[in-house]
Amino acid sequence: QVHLMQSGPEVKMPGASVRVSCKTSGYSFTNYGISWVRQAPGQGLEWLGWVSGHNGFTSYAQKVQDRVILTTDTTTDTAHMEMRNLRYEDTAVYFCARRMRLEARYDFWGQGTQVTVSS
Amino acid sequence: DIQMTQSPSSLSAFVGDRVSFTCRASQSISSSLNWYQQKPGKAPKLLIFGASTLQSGVPPRFSGRESGTEFTLTITNLQRDDAATYFCQQSYSNPPTFGQGTKVEIK
Repeated sequence: QVHLMQSGPEVKMPGASVRVSCKTSGYSFTNYGISWVRQAPGQGLEWLGWVSGHNGFTSYAQKVQDRVILTTDTTTDTAHMEMRNLRYEDTAVYFCARRMRLEARYDFWGQGTQVTVSS
Repeated sequence: DIQMTQSPSSLSAFVGDRVSFTCRASQSISSSLNWYQQKPGKAPKLLIFGASTLQSGVPPRFSGRESGTEFTLTITNLQRDDAATYFCQQSYSNPPTFGQGTKVEIK
């Protein structure tokens, strides 16, 4: 069955970087993309970007495009999100989700990774 | 960016009730509208895609319809397990955007 397993919680200082991993299994990684969505405490869902499992194509939300890098490792069917220059307002739960190849529809999600930015 | 506006922000109903809530897009998005259910501390779960197609495994008491730029999610025979926040999301154009959510509580 399809499964997305994310890396564990992170606590970082402002200005630091964080890398969140999303290990997938149960499907053909190259036939789908991986999107990243975050949710600040008590807030809604914010799309950050997506990366194609087929060719590594990326698209980012304008708000974070200068600070986020999305990558994939097709040898381990894992996607990574790196966010640099963290700010207090980046404190959130970060989700990875399987994206349909031709449409931004998310049918399977990781369990979420808490990223806390604190001094 | 396309803005998605959900209403109401919350509602409360009894087990067995029929509830509906809406999501309005700021411009035409064809039928490219998805609904997700999120329970506290959990990841969202895809319920409906393409405005009205039920995702595999989702109970048929959930249904979606569209009328222009207004989309409605209806839950018939509301169950305690349906207590959650429901988000709409447009997949018509980049960037994909979500509504702010409708929280459903069971009386």
